[in-house]
Amino acid sequence: DAGVIQSPRHEVTEMGQEVTLRCKPISGHDYLFWYRQTMMRGLELLIYFNNNVPIDDSGMPEDRFSAKMPNASFSTLKIQPSEPRDSAVYFCASSKNRGYTGELFFGEGSRLTVL
Amino acid sequence: DAKTTQPTSMDCAEGRAANLPCNHSTISGNEYVYWYRQIHSQGPQYIIHGLKNNETNEMASLIITEDRKSSTLILPHATLRDTAVYYCIVRVLTGGFKTIFGAGTRLFVKA
Repeated sequence: DAGVIQSPRHEVTEMGQEVTLRCKPISGHDYLFWYRQTMMRGLELLIYFNNNVPIDDSGMPEDRFSAKMPNASFSTLKIQPSEPRDSAVYFCASSKNRGYTGELFFGEGSRLTVL
Repeated sequence: DAKTTQPTSMDCAEGRAANLPCNHSTISGNEYVYWYRQIHSQGPQYIIHGLKNNETNEMASLIITEDRKSSTLILPHATLRDTAVYYCIVRVLTGGFKTIFGAGTRLFVKA
């Protein structure tokens, strides 16, 4: 398996612009997670999906953030409009449910800088 | 999910065993102890997990006390590449899989 694939790896944008981060989970995994990491707040769980359905979005900071999972092999995290305080590394992770250890597999992250 | 407490940082000499403690005094009977680590700039990586018996794999050993209120992750022969932040997490094995990371322990392995 190729692992969890995220794009872009780095994104620099200006305040007010729309940002879309993408994630391809490991094939066969039915859970997908979006995390955000900053020095101040550490790793925060934003939202997670099970079988493409959002289960818990209580970590999404505000309405400017939205996440979708149109199919089992693709998810997006969108920020519109972006603000400097959104600068962080955003990680996507996937996991398999039945008959497995329950471990999360993380992508390499998308580093977002909002100027 | 139960909360965990870990030291902020630890040092270890290269080649020696690194013992990373974790307190989880409010752990429930169906919650497992998971350990992940995050090497600088990379995504967290799963290390090991257990319920109540000690566990060992190619990366590490996990020792869970009999009352399950604390555990220790052991890296038997630490190398410089083991320098990372280590996270101890407790959660149920199935179901929502909601995994919450705390601040973790920053392990420095020194030559």
